[in-house]
Amino acid sequence: DAGVIQSPRHEVTEMGQEVTLRCKPISGHNSLFWYRQTMMRGLELLIYFNNNVPIDDSGMPEDRFSAKMPNASFSTLKIQPSEPRDSAVYFCASSSRVSTDTQYFGPGTRLTVL
Amino acid sequence: GQSLEQPSEVTAVEGAIVQINCTYQTSGFYGLSWYQQHDGGAPTFLSYNALDGLEETGRFSSFLSRSDSYGYLLLQELQMKDSASYFCAVRDRTGGSYIPTFGRGTSLIVHP
Repeated sequence: DAGVIQSPRHEVTEMGQEVTLRCKPISGHNSLFWYRQTMMRGLELLIYFNNNVPIDDSGMPEDRFSAKMPNASFSTLKIQPSEPRDSAVYFCASSSRVSTDTQYFGPGTRLTVL
Repeated sequence: GQSLEQPSEVTAVEGAIVQINCTYQTSGFYGLSWYQQHDGGAPTFLSYNALDGLEETGRFSSFLSRSDSYGYLLLQELQMKDSASYFCAVRDRTGGSYIPTFGRGTSLIVHP
């Protein structure tokens, strides 16, 4: 199994630009999570999908952030426009119906907004 | 809402035993998980407790007391490679769904 795949691994962009982060969950998993990790705020849940449907997006910071899951094997997290305070590591994780509390994390995308 | 408290840092020597505590406050508790994260890496799942008691997986064990809203991760026969951050996480029932929340993490430093 390839595990959770995220791209890009690193992204450096300038303030105001649009950023799109991508995630491919483990095949057969039905839940997908987007997290943001910073030294100041720790690991924060941004949004959670179950069977491709957004269940809770209360962690999405503001309207500049949006997430989609068009099918069971792909999700995107978009930031438009990006700001320096969005600099963080963004993780995608997935879990299965059988073992919901075992989340498998991708390698993360390190985002730097200048 | 929910909150989790765990120590920010713990130090120990190789071969020793260390316990990392986690207390939580939730509005609808479902279970307590533990994750390990090495510097520059991603969190990896270690263990999960839904019921009171001790779960053992090799050198690592996890304990839960639902009545005390408390759990701990026990690491035995510490090795240098165990130096990492350890996160406790709860899945809290909110609005019909179970939403995961992570603690701030405990940095474990293992000395030779």
